[in-house]
Amino acid sequence: EADIYQTPRYLVIGTGKKITLECSQTMGHDKMYWYQQDPGMELHLIHYSYGVNSTEKGDLSSESTVSRIRTEHFPLTLESARPSHTSQYLCASSVYTNEQFFGPGTRLTVL
Amino acid sequence: KQEVTQIPAALSVPEGENLVLNCSFTDSAIYNLQWFRQDPGKGLTSLLLIQSSQREQTSGRLNASLDKSSGRSTLYIAASQPGDSATYLCAVEPGNTGKLIFGQGTTLQVKP
Repeated sequence: EADIYQTPRYLVIGTGKKITLECSQTMGHDKMYWYQQDPGMELHLIHYSYGVNSTEKGDLSSESTVSRIRTEHFPLTLESARPSHTSQYLCASSVYTNEQFFGPGTRLTVL
Repeated sequence: KQEVTQIPAALSVPEGENLVLNCSFTDSAIYNLQWFRQDPGKGLTSLLLIQSSQREQTSGRLNASLDKSSGRSTLYIAASQPGDSATYLCAVEPGNTGKLIFGQGTTLQVKP
């Protein structure tokens, strides 16, 4: 099982602020993912990466951006937070079988 | 477009019962299927991964089956316990991309 970490776990922030959600994993997995989950709704893929310097947008359009400078680190940034960005953001990484392991999530509230 | 449906949306059973959760998908051309558990406000815990060439996988009291031709998977939980109370999510990977498509989940409550 992968060790995957997300910080902060909870964030309440005002409109217009720039935020970065951190995700790191210690298993050396090449593939990493960001999902967005609204309350009571299914998860939707917003970004993914197959390795260093590789990033792609997922199926759900998102105003966030990601970077992958190191294998273990896959941060997500919102340049100007809005109330519509309020959601839970989940980070995952996968082994060669593509079995995905998730972090605990960041619950973001934008006022 | 691949769609994943889970029925029922919610289920309440007394402790000790065996139960089956259902997952269906519209496109049978999948690479693998994964079952997860999610506790309220938490991340997802991987339960079982079934690759497209497999018919079932077992882990403890859990057994997951896959029938690609009919676009169905079931998660069987034996001798349910209150600690099994959670939302169970099914996700399919359409190709060898790692990109998962999730169902909305089945919320299970096991009463003592």
